[in-house]
Amino acid sequence: EAGVAQSPRYKIIEKRQSVAFWCNPISGHATLYWYQQILGQGPKLLIQFQNNGVVDDSQLPKDRFSAERLKGVDSTLKIQPAKLEDSAVYLCASSLDLASSYEQYFGPGTRLTVT
Amino acid sequence: GQQVMQIPQYQHVQEGEDFTTYCNSSTTLSNIQWYKQRPGGHPVFLIQLVKSGEVKKQKRLTFQFGEAKKNSSLHITATQTTDVGTYFCATFSGGYNKLIFGAGTRLAVHP
Repeated sequence: EAGVAQSPRYKIIEKRQSVAFWCNPISGHATLYWYQQILGQGPKLLIQFQNNGVVDDSQLPKDRFSAERLKGVDSTLKIQPAKLEDSAVYLCASSLDLASSYEQYFGPGTRLTVT
Repeated sequence: GQQVMQIPQYQHVQEGEDFTTYCNSSTTLSNIQWYKQRPGGHPVFLIQLVKSGEVKKQKRLTFQFGEAKKNSSLHITATQTTDVGTYFCATFSGGYNKLIFGAGTRLAVHP
């Protein structure tokens, strides 16, 4: 079974530029998550989708971050404009469904450096 | 919302020594999940505990959920260099499988 795919793996941009990350979850997984992991910290949930609908985006900085999952499969996360404090690893995860009994499978992440 | 605190933040051991990390909360937890993240890698699910006092074992790893469901521990017996990484506990907040992670315990194993 193929895992969660993410691209790019690394990205370096200057502050005030924009950037987009792509995620392809495990086939058949209805729930998709985007996490931000700052160095030395645990992952922090940014947004959670169930199929193509947003379930939770309470921790997404909506003035600069946006995400979509138009057809209920792939997802993109965008930052515009980026700030220095956005430097982090952005992890995508997926699970079969919303129920807490389902484990989350993480992708390799995109390491973003904002200079 | 739910928060979990992990201690210690960092521990280094000699290969063959035991290791324990603790996860604590001031409120009752519905469940606890444990993840391992190797250096440069992504979190990998290890186990989920849901019952009060539950104990689960995976080879050299022993996971425990406290009787009051406010704490959990992960114990590794006779560490190996392959155990190196950061161990996170996580719990659910809200009704939609929203995971809240602790800050993690970073384990270094010296051969």
